[in-house]
Amino acid sequence: DTAVSQTPKYLVTQMGNDKSIKCEQNLGHDTMYWYKQDSKKFLKIMFSYNNKELIINETVPNRFSPKSPDKAHLNLHINSLELGDSAVYFCASSQDLAHRGAFTYNEQFFGPGTRLTVL
Amino acid sequence: EDQVTQSPEALRLQEGESSSLNCSYTVSGLRGLFWYRQDPGKGPEFLFTLYSAGEEKEKERLKATLTKKESFLHITAPKPEDSATYLCAVQEGSWGKLQFGAGTQVVVTP
Repeated sequence: DTAVSQTPKYLVTQMGNDKSIKCEQNLGHDTMYWYKQDSKKFLKIMFSYNNKELIINETVPNRFSPKSPDKAHLNLHINSLELGDSAVYFCASSQDLAHRGAFTYNEQFFGPGTRLTVL
Repeated sequence: EDQVTQSPEALRLQEGESSSLNCSYTVSGLRGLFWYRQDPGKGPEFLFTLYSAGEEKEKERLKATLTKKESFLHITAPKPEDSATYLCAVQEGSWGKLQFGAGTQVVVTP
């Protein structure tokens, strides 16, 4: 069984287009994340949702809009794609941190990634 | 500014040649330090979480240790299947925001 899945795995599109990436987790986790990994392999967090509520919103262009229809899904919609958006996008999920008492830890489970290429 | 720095950037080892990777960090309040392994074309795979200085965790040929300023990932008698990029991340705050280092690419040759 796939724990965190993303579709599509590859996405090639033209500048100016709008595209979406979907993410689903079957781990029963309450928190989901979107990360961007650039050509230098740096992983940077973009957004996080806890029980469908946005809790982390990094400095990301407002062309990027996450949507969480339920706590098992977190989709990423990107408007007016630019060349600089080319990267690998990873979805991740983790158990609800509120249940962890004094120690909040965050074993995040990652999806396989979506390689976005903007031409 | 909080930072996570990993060294070396790349490491080439002969099978059986033990070595260590370093992750140094400067964060105002460490909630946890995480090690992940990433294979080409795949998402990061969780390895360890360390919470406090002096803590150690082991898994097969890997052992992670933590001090107040850095963490080490020791690879003992590596095998070719240990070849991967090893990522270190620190947690800031309560909401799971992880700051990742750039990673160390490890290649183990037979």
